[in-house]
Amino acid sequence: GAVVSQHPSRVICKSGTSVKIECRSLDFQATTMFWYRQFPKQSLMLMATSNEGSKATYEQGVEKDKFLINHASLTLSTLTVTSAHPEDSSFYICSARGFRGQNTGELFFGEGSRLTVL
Amino acid sequence: AQSVTQPDIHITVSEGASLELRCNYSYGATPYLFWYVQSPGQGLQLLLKYFSGDTLVQGIKGFEAEFKRSQSSFNLRKPSVHWSDAAEYFCAVGAHQAGTALIFGKGTTLSVSS
Repeated sequence: GAVVSQHPSRVICKSGTSVKIECRSLDFQATTMFWYRQFPKQSLMLMATSNEGSKATYEQGVEKDKFLINHASLTLSTLTVTSAHPEDSSFYICSARGFRGQNTGELFFGEGSRLTVL
Repeated sequence: AQSVTQPDIHITVSEGASLELRCNYSYGATPYLFWYVQSPGQGLQLLLKYFSGDTLVQGIKGFEAEFKRSQSSFNLRKPSVHWSDAAEYFCAVGAHQAGTALIFGKGTTLSVSS
């Protein structure tokens, strides 16, 4: 089946630094990828929709200058948390939908990246 | 507004007993419906999904769910719970159109007692 790989799975950084998280679709082309954020014991909240070759669409309340999203190819989207602060500590999960004939509506999820900002 | 409601925040079931997790949705179009399970510190695993056709869908690990359009529900069931089923369960709804994300419920924590 389709696989989405996310890297790194865990990252610890100092406050003020930037962290990049990669999301790759391994065996299908993903024109659209989604980035979710999950706080402890809470649900997944959609942060942004990443479209290949165009600017990402951010959900209300999500700072686009803080959470930079780049979707440069059909298999890779990156989320960069800029000038990270402790309140940015969270579990970030990416997901992708298939391309053309694979559009079944199902999202394939990465394993998630746990960010801890000290 | 599009939303997913999981009324039960936390459920405890005895091992071997049956389980039903409730999910109600509000969606303007014909929805795709999903159940995911998440163990602590882990990503999401798809249990089952409903796109169309038979309203009773079978999933992995012995789970099933029934789509009831009249009740806007998609409840998850399992006839006999195992201790390894203890986890967080999320119901989600999505559109048929490409480029749309899933909307998740707040989740139900399942504890299994011996």
